[in-house]
Amino acid sequence: EDQVTQSPEALRLQEGESSSLNCSYTVSGLRGLFWYRQDPGKGPEFLFTLYSAGEEKEKERLKATLTKKESFLHITAPKPEDSATYLCAVESGGSYIPTFGRGTSLIVHP
Amino acid sequence: EPEVTQTPSHQVTQMGQEVILRCVPISNHLYFYWYRQILGQKVEFLVSFYNNEISEKSEIFDDQFSVERPDGSNFTLKIRSTKLEDSAMYFCASSESGVSGELFFGEGSRLTVL
Repeated sequence: EDQVTQSPEALRLQEGESSSLNCSYTVSGLRGLFWYRQDPGKGPEFLFTLYSAGEEKEKERLKATLTKKESFLHITAPKPEDSATYLCAVESGGSYIPTFGRGTSLIVHP
Repeated sequence: EPEVTQTPSHQVTQMGQEVILRCVPISNHLYFYWYRQILGQKVEFLVSFYNNEISEKSEIFDDQFSVERPDGSNFTLKIRSTKLEDSAMYFCASSESGVSGELFFGEGSRLTVL
C-alpha cells in the first residue's frame, strides 16, 4: 500500500483557472512533507517543506498547506509555464529519506 | 547557481553488462542519494550515502548495485550485471543537511538495457 497518494493523476486547466492538487499520506510520525516540481525528462525540483498541521508556504502562484492527513498545493491563476508534474514526498519514522507519490501531471492551456 | 551534474545523459547497454553512472554533487553538500524512475512510474529511492558509507538503502538496492565516492567530487552508481528491468532514469541528488527533505536533483541518466 502506497504511503503517499496523489490526486488527480492528471489535471488540465485553462490559463487563469485556479485549482488544487491533493496529497494524502498514511504514515505515522510524519517528519516532513515536501512538494517538488518535475518537468519532462528532468529531475525533480524542490518547492516546499511543511512540518506541522496548519503550516502554509507560498511561492509565486503556488501555496502549499498541510493537515494531519493531507496536503494541498493550490495554484492560483496558473500560466502555461506552470505545466509540469507535481510530486509530493514524505519523511517519517526513523528514515530521513523522502518517499515520493506518483505525482499529478498538470497541463495549463493558454 | 550550483547544480548536480550527471553523466552520461543516456546509455544503452546489453543485458548482463556492467554500467557505471556518474554524478558530481553540489560541492558543499554532504549527503548523496540515488533514485530511479521507470518510465511512467514514481520516483523510487535506491540508496543514500554519508561520510563515505551507505546510510540507508531500499529493497531495490540489491547485491548487483554498489555506490562509491572515489574522490572528493564524484559519486558513482554501479550496476554489475544489468537486467531488462533496470531500464529507467537514474537520478542523483545531494543535500546539505540530510534532514530537511530539500534534495537537489541532477537531470538524470537514462539507462536502456537491451
